[in-house]
Amino acid sequence: DTGVSQDPRHKITKRGQNVTFRCDPISEHNRLYWYRQTLGQGPEFLTYFQNEAQLEKSRLLSDRFSAERPKGSFSTLEIQRTEQGDSAMYLCASSLQVAVTEAFFGQGTRLTVV
Amino acid sequence: AQKITQTQPGMFVQEKEAVTLDCTYDTSDQSYGLFWYKQPSSGEMIFLIYQGSYDEQNATEGRYSLNFQKARKSANLVISASQLGDSAMYFCAIPASGGSYIPTFGRGTSLIVHP
Repeated sequence: DTGVSQDPRHKITKRGQNVTFRCDPISEHNRLYWYRQTLGQGPEFLTYFQNEAQLEKSRLLSDRFSAERPKGSFSTLEIQRTEQGDSAMYLCASSLQVAVTEAFFGQGTRLTVV
Repeated sequence: AQKITQTQPGMFVQEKEAVTLDCTYDTSDQSYGLFWYKQPSSGEMIFLIYQGSYDEQNATEGRYSLNFQKARKSANLVISASQLGDSAMYFCAIPASGGSYIPTFGRGTSLIVHP
């Protein structure tokens, strides 16, 4: 296992289209996080899974966004009816289920909405 | 809620020199941890170093060390003997309390290493 994997790395889509991103975490990691990062900013938390349960969602996660982790392994993040403001880097991270531990990040999916 | 403040948008350093990147934090937790990550232009966030609030020693990992001052709520990253490959964004992070431990990040500092 070489780390957290995200697919695709880049996505260009027209405004109004739906997009779906995939994240494969490190296999033994129970926790999975999605973040959004815009230029010049730090990663902003979107949502968090512990195994298959989605335990927290940020206010940033509008009703156009949905995330799943159906079997507690890989996760998907879908954005419906994309808007230009959705253009950002979407980062996935995973970590072990211990009190305080580092999260390991994937290389991100860069979304451009035109 | 946890909060991270990184006040240096950009820093420049000469190759082989040391550089300090500032991070202050706010938390009401008694026990917490602080992380530093590096983000090169490729986009991946790379974990560098961790400091626990009850660790007696400042954390060190190779050329990275933390200048942890608990009373001041600061956890500055020191990079010694800078290399050209250290040019990147650097982020300080603190996990949320309440059991989720969701990392909260600062805005980051851009480091450029000059030859």
